[in-house]
Amino acid sequence: AQSVTQPDIHITVSEGASLELRCNYSYGATPYLFWYVQSPGQGLQLLLKYFSGDTLVQGIKGFEAEFKRSQSSFNLRKPSVHWSDAAEYFCAVRGNTPLVFGKGTRLSVIA
Amino acid sequence: GAGVSQSPSNKVTEKGKDVELRCDPISGHTALYWYRQRLGQGLEFLIYFQGNSAPDKSGLPSDRFSAERTGESVSTLTIQRTQQEDSAVYLCASSEDRGLGNTIYFGEGSWLTVV
Repeated sequence: AQSVTQPDIHITVSEGASLELRCNYSYGATPYLFWYVQSPGQGLQLLLKYFSGDTLVQGIKGFEAEFKRSQSSFNLRKPSVHWSDAAEYFCAVRGNTPLVFGKGTRLSVIA
Repeated sequence: GAGVSQSPSNKVTEKGKDVELRCDPISGHTALYWYRQRLGQGLEFLIYFQGNSAPDKSGLPSDRFSAERTGESVSTLTIQRTQQEDSAVYLCASSEDRGLGNTIYFGEGSWLTVV
């Protein structure tokens, strides 16, 4: 069965600084990987997904993620964080079952 | 509507009562999912419907939880004899079909508080 680990529960960054959110997955075959964002009081919105091809994936809102098979990782990055990026971020993996989510990383943005 | 619609958006119920949560998936989506999100936690898979196939109930935490889906439309999640630990956001989602790479679209959730 697949699983996802997001090692960082809470991250605080300054507005304009770069961001990297970590995600490690466990799955025996090539996984389908996703990043979702959840803003306060709102549902989950898909930022980006990967299942084949180029290992660097571009998403919405200026986010990107890189799939590294050797490290079983799918880290999310953004070169310059905006205050509106403050939210909860979830990494998810899909193999032969429905989406399995990590516990999330809460991002706070300070001026 | 254009997105996944859930109702009620908020529900407060007394311990021991039954509750029903409703989900309207995106029109044409044959796959429908229910997840639970407890405060400060990730999403736990509950149940998955795909067309007319038997649902995947492997995530239901106890026999107090059940769900139905009428054809490829509305789904209802029922929790019987609610307990305080059932307090959570219940999220419904849908996708075009069971394709692994398909985007899964989530509703805004039903916030359940058991007092």
